[in-house]
Amino acid sequence: AQTVTQSQPEMSVQEAETVTLSCTYDTSESDYYLFWYKQPPSRQMILVIRQEAYKQQNATENRFSVNFQKAAKSFSLKISDSQLGDAAMYFCAYMESNFGNEKLTFGTGTRLTIIP
Amino acid sequence: NAGVTQTPKFQVLKTGQSMTLQCAQDMNHNSMYWYRQDPGMGLRLIYYSASEGTTDKGEVPNGYNVSRLNKREFSLRLESAAPSQTSVYFCASSDRGRAKNIQYFGAGTRLSVL
Repeated sequence: AQTVTQSQPEMSVQEAETVTLSCTYDTSESDYYLFWYKQPPSRQMILVIRQEAYKQQNATENRFSVNFQKAAKSFSLKISDSQLGDAAMYFCAYMESNFGNEKLTFGTGTRLTIIP
Repeated sequence: NAGVTQTPKFQVLKTGQSMTLQCAQDMNHNSMYWYRQDPGMGLRLIYYSASEGTTDKGEVPNGYNVSRLNKREFSLRLESAAPSQTSVYFCASSDRGRAKNIQYFGAGTRLSVL
């Protein structure tokens, strides 16, 4: 079974600074998808960014970017120019590419605090 | 603009009581999912439905049943609630295929079993 590991239970960053959240995963597949979801205090799960394993180019969404290292099975999230609204739990998640089997396996999360 | 709607938002049960959590999506998605979230453990898949009329077990199915009533609705039933089922429950839906497999989540149901 695939596993997703987030080794940083908590992180903090000064407002306007840059922070990187770590994620590693274990799989024997070559084609898969990786996601970062944000969960603010409202509890709503919000997609931050998505990466397709067969694409070498790192995904980017505005201030959010990833460093995808396929051989190392590493998928870190970089948040630039941190804002107070970025404070949340961040979950890394893995999905197989099998059609009809799009189940997500989540890590345990990293709680990000923004210091004003 | 509703997306995925879950009801109720909060529920308190006594041990042994039964209840059904409702989920509906208006995005015409084929696949629907039920997850539970416990402190320090992330989200874990309970059951999923890849299409109308099909359901499959996830990682933690014991104590739960599901029904895919139609393409829009996917319910989760606790027949005899136990304190170990105290959790936050999330429903999600997605389309299928390489470019469409983003899961969209409901707001969650906080369930306490006393």
